Amino acid sequence: DQQVKQNSPSLSVQEGRISILNCDYTNSMFDYFLWYKKYPAEGPTFLISISSIKDKNEDGRFTVFLNKSAKHLSLHIVPSQPGDSAVYFCAASASGNFNKFYFGSGTKLNVKP
Amino acid sequence: NAGVTQTPKFRVLKTGQSMTLLCAQDMNHEYMYWYRQDPGMGLRLIHYSVGEGTTAKGEVPDGYNVSRLKKQNFLLGLESAAPSQTSVYFCASSYEGRRRSSTDTQYFGPGTRLTVL
Repeated sequence: DQQVKQNSPSLSVQEGRISILNCDYTNSMFDYFLWYKKYPAEGPTFLISISSIKDKNEDGRFTVFLNKSAKHLSLHIVPSQPGDSAVYFCAASASGNFNKFYFGSGTKLNVKP
Repeated sequence: NAGVTQTPKFRVLKTGQSMTLLCAQDMNHEYMYWYRQDPGMGLRLIHYSVGEGTTAKGEVPDGYNVSRLKKQNFLLGLESAAPSQTSVYFCASSYEGRRRSSTDTQYFGPGTRLTVL
């Protein structure tokens, strides 16, 4: 049973608008969350992370929000650019333990010019 | 600085054949990982290593073996390939096993696409 779920396999957004990618988790022990971005034929690359002691972390156009009570996190991209078109994976771990990263199934974002 | 590299990029095997996937990193990372990615499943951890000469099982270890004879290399072996092992395999590495800062993470290679007929 997947402990990290991304229920939207794909998302299409117009350039300049906001992209919101969602992720849900079931394990209450998770305390560190990450978003990775993946282009075709490349490995995932780290985008942004958030610790459970925070509810928001911002890095340029990318903001991650964490709602611990709902076991939900989201990635906001504002404004969206065509170069943001990729597959986005969320991942979670417990106690900062890199031995056990649990990944969602990914959301394919298409930003239309 | 090449980061994490994987060899080969593509491979087609017949059922029962064996092969080894090679992962190399030049970042002096202690920890290394092998994942497989399947449609609708995300990335799942196969095996990992916390240092030279050590290996441990991940979430889906059956049918795979690994070795970490040198710190910079992590090998994934399939002794008798099965069609269920058709997947994209990613290697990753990290500085250590516990997060030290907000930007600590695992660094991934470009992947190996394996098809078992």
